[in-house]
Amino acid sequence: QVTLKESGPGILQPSQTLSLTCSFSGFSLSTSGMGVGWIRQPSGKGLEWLANIWWDDDKYYNPSLKNRLTISKDTSNNQAFLKITNVDTADTATYYCPRILTGSYFDYWGQGVMVTVSS
Amino acid sequence: DIQMTQSPASLSASLEEIVTITCQASQDIGNYLSWYQQKPGKSPQLLIHSATSLADGVPSRFSGSRSGTQYSLKINRLQVEDTGIYYCLQHYSAPWTFGGGTKLELK
Repeated sequence: QVTLKESGPGILQPSQTLSLTCSFSGFSLSTSGMGVGWIRQPSGKGLEWLANIWWDDDKYYNPSLKNRLTISKDTSNNQAFLKITNVDTADTATYYCPRILTGSYFDYWGQGVMVTVSS
Repeated sequence: DIQMTQSPASLSASLEEIVTITCQASQDIGNYLSWYQQKPGKSPQLLIHSATSLADGVPSRFSGSRSGTQYSLKINRLQVEDTGIYYCLQHYSAPWTFGGGTKLELK
């Protein structure tokens, strides 16, 4: 059974660094073709793709966030991570980490974690 | 970046009605298109992958089709539990991009 769960700080201040963790079970990020993505959704708005990381440590980022994103993984502990530097109120959103199956679509999603950026 | 233009933005339909939602890609994306349903307060759920393949456990009244760079999600015989917001996603090339979403309500 595949499960994913996102965790984060809940609230943080502008200019701080947001650190998110995706803890998963039921699959391994060392399996060829597997990946994990990060997606976010401001309240009442649509979905925005942020980044993907693959079994071979290949990484892709959304260029709209310039160089603020860093995605990484800990294969032995079944976790993936996302850092967003220099946050501001526009980064307030629910963040999801879905699994990517065989290099393609998102097949399983976590419940999401709400993050609020506020002074 | 590949733009995904989804229409309509909102839709009100009756029970048992046939509903069609469309995504237009700004360039060729092959069959690298998936559809998701999101209910209020919940995470998105995969409905269709590879443009036309039904995800495991999804009712057969859902179907996907492709005509060139236009992709459609069809719901046959709309049910109460089908209300929600639907998104398409292109995963042909980075940055992966979602359509703007279609809010489906019951009339």
